[in-house]
Amino acid sequence: DIVMTQSPDSLAVSLGERATINCKSSQSVFYSSDNKNYLAWYQQKPGQPPKLLIYWASTRESGVPDRFSGSGSGTDFTLTISSLQAEDVAIYYCQQYYSIPPCSFGQGTKLEI
Amino acid sequence: QVQLQESGPGLVKPSQTLSLTCTVSGGSISDYDHYWNWIRQPPGKGLEWIGYISYSGSTYYNPSLRSRLTISLDTSKNQFSLKLSSVTAADTAVYYCARAGKGDRSLFDYWGQGPLVTVSS
Repeated sequence: DIVMTQSPDSLAVSLGERATINCKSSQSVFYSSDNKNYLAWYQQKPGQPPKLLIYWASTRESGVPDRFSGSGSGTDFTLTISSLQAEDVAIYYCQQYYSIPPCSFGQGTKLEI
Repeated sequence: QVQLQESGPGLVKPSQTLSLTCTVSGGSISDYDHYWNWIRQPPGKGLEWIGYISYSGSTYYNPSLRSRLTISLDTSKNQFSLKLSSVTAADTAVYYCARAGKGDRSLFDYWGQGPLVTVSS
């Protein structure tokens, strides 16, 4: 199984500042036949289900603000929030869907103001 | 707008079977290339994928749960269901149903709210 490891486990960033969350997979999630990284990012607020933010490592889901961006390839990925807003306080998870079953999630990164 | 809603008991006794149903509205459960998933989250912990059933009825389960797990589809009611047998306290979690509909079986674009299911005598 592919193991996903996020860093840091928690992060405090001032309003308007940049937040960066890292995700590393135990093996590459890049599929050369379609040139895609099978990596997604989700946001989970308290008492709510996760919400899909980014997929194929860098494609923003419809309706997600453009301050959210994803980057990386192979085994190392980053979620960046360019200018932190109060409503961005949440736990963020990366997920690989390259190798299933099972798909697997990182342990989560708690983002606070 | 697609919506998913889980239903089922919030309390299950050890060794019994946990049963949940997910009702889909705003879309057909038989839509081509959609996959209907169950994902769980123990209190205060991370996410664990349980398994899926496809629009055509094929299933794929997490190997760690396969021996206890059944996922089924009811197209007449636009529902899919989860049965997890021989439960223990380790199965206590919030259970989410989720759709994978973005061209991959495990890319979850719509989620239910997720009830907490507690395993306790």
